[in-house]
Amino acid sequence: GQQVMQIPQYQHVQEGEDFTTYCNSSTTLSNIQWYKQRPGGHPVFLIQLVKSGEVKKQKRLTFQFGEAKKNSSLHITATQTTDVGTYFCAGRYSFNKFYFGSGTKLNVKP
Amino acid sequence: NAGVTQTPKFQVLKTGQSMTLQCAQDMNHEYMSWYRQDPGMGLRLIHYSVGAGITDQGEVPNGYNVSRSTTEDFPLRLLSAAPSQTSVYFCASNRGAEAFFGQGTRLTVV
Repeated sequence: GQQVMQIPQYQHVQEGEDFTTYCNSSTTLSNIQWYKQRPGGHPVFLIQLVKSGEVKKQKRLTFQFGEAKKNSSLHITATQTTDVGTYFCAGRYSFNKFYFGSGTKLNVKP
Repeated sequence: NAGVTQTPKFQVLKTGQSMTLQCAQDMNHEYMSWYRQDPGMGLRLIHYSVGAGITDQGEVPNGYNVSRSTTEDFPLRLLSAAPSQTSVYFCASNRGAEAFFGQGTRLTVV
């Protein structure tokens, strides 16, 4: 079945360092979404990417969607302690179903 | 607006018991869904609904039932609880691409 693989599972960085998480699918995605979940909290929608090769920025966050629409990445520049949490991608194959990656847990040391 | 409200927040069940997890949204969203979140596995879609009277299965529907009699409510029923259903359950409703998640229900089956 459809599956979205996400790596790495964990990332520990020093405050100020950059962070990247990657999602890959074996089949073409219709679109991909990114969510952030703080410890003990619920997922919060960050962004949706739809077009091949799309790049979107939100302040220090940069989101990319691959040319083949099979992979995506989230890059955080100069991490801050407020970036701590788990970042999930969710790939959409059909109209109504999203398949979440397993998430990357980010820890930022001050 | 309260957004997406889930009750209860915590629940302990004995194996074989049944129960209903409640989910209500006040944003008049047509699309609603249920996910379960297990450590290291991200969120997996259980059931979803594209509007009142319409439901469909997601990735892991076995052992769960849903109904959608109104736009606002989307309850999830566990028919005969099993330890494998110990998880955190999230309900979500969508406005277009953006999913709004409830606070979650932490369920333990002993």
